[in-house]
Amino acid sequence: QVQLQESGPGLVKPSQTLSLTCAVSGGSIISGSSSSYYWSWIRQPAGKGLEWIGHIYKSGDTNYNPSLKSRVTISLDTSRKQFSLRLTSVTAADTAVYYCARHRVSLGGLVTPPARCFDYWGQGTLVTVSS
Amino acid sequence: DIQMTQSPSSLSASVGDRVTLTCRASQAISSFLNWYQQMPGKAPKLLIHSASILESGVPSRFSATGSGTDFSLTISSLQPEDFATYYCQQSYSAPHTFGQGTKLDIK
Repeated sequence: QVQLQESGPGLVKPSQTLSLTCAVSGGSIISGSSSSYYWSWIRQPAGKGLEWIGHIYKSGDTNYNPSLKSRVTISLDTSRKQFSLRLTSVTAADTAVYYCARHRVSLGGLVTPPARCFDYWGQGTLVTVSS
Repeated sequence: DIQMTQSPSSLSASVGDRVTLTCRASQAISSFLNWYQQMPGKAPKLLIHSASILESGVPSRFSATGSGTDFSLTISSLQPEDFATYYCQQSYSAPHTFGQGTKLDIK
C-alpha cells in the first residue's frame, strides 16, 4: 500500500519561503507496470476548496499552476523516495493545509479507459503564514 | 483554466436516500473527470476516476456517469459514513482544477 507523508515547518513568516517534503513508501516513485506517476502538491485553505500547485515526473519535468508558477519549485529525490515543495515570498493567503499526492496516469486498454487521477494522498500538513 | 462548477453547494439528506450530485466543466473534458470524498480534517479520497470507473474498494452504492461537460455522481442508498464533502476534478489539461465541493449533511 502506497503511503505519503508530508513534513515541514507549520509556521512561516511573511515574505519567507515555505518548504515541505513528502516521503513516499510502499511503492515505486519511478513508475508502475502500466502507469506513470506524477508527484503532486495540492493545497486547501481552511473551509475552502482544493488548489493544484504543481507536479514533477521521474524525469524531473515539472508543471506548475500558472497562478503560482513564479513562486513555486518542486524537486524530486528518487534515491530517498521523496519530493519537495518550495514556495517563495509567502503571504497570509498561502496559509492552508498542504497535501502531497500521486497523480496516476494510465493509457488504458481495450476495455479499460485511460485514467488520470490523484489516487494516493498524504494526510496533509497545516502551514500558517504569520509573523 | 477549465472551471468546474458543482451543484448543489450543499445538500441535506437522510440515511437510505438516493442522491445525485452534478458537476459541469467550462469546456469539454472527454471522460477525464474524477470524484473525491473528503471527511472533515482528512485528505480527499478517490471514489471514481475516468467519469464512471469505481476505484478499488469503493462501495457499489456509488456510481457516476457523464462525458464532455456534464457529469453526475449518485449514491444509491446513503449510509452514515457517506456524509462528507464531495469534489469533482478534471485532469483533461493542466492546471488540474477542482469544483468548489458539495457538502452532504444529515437532514
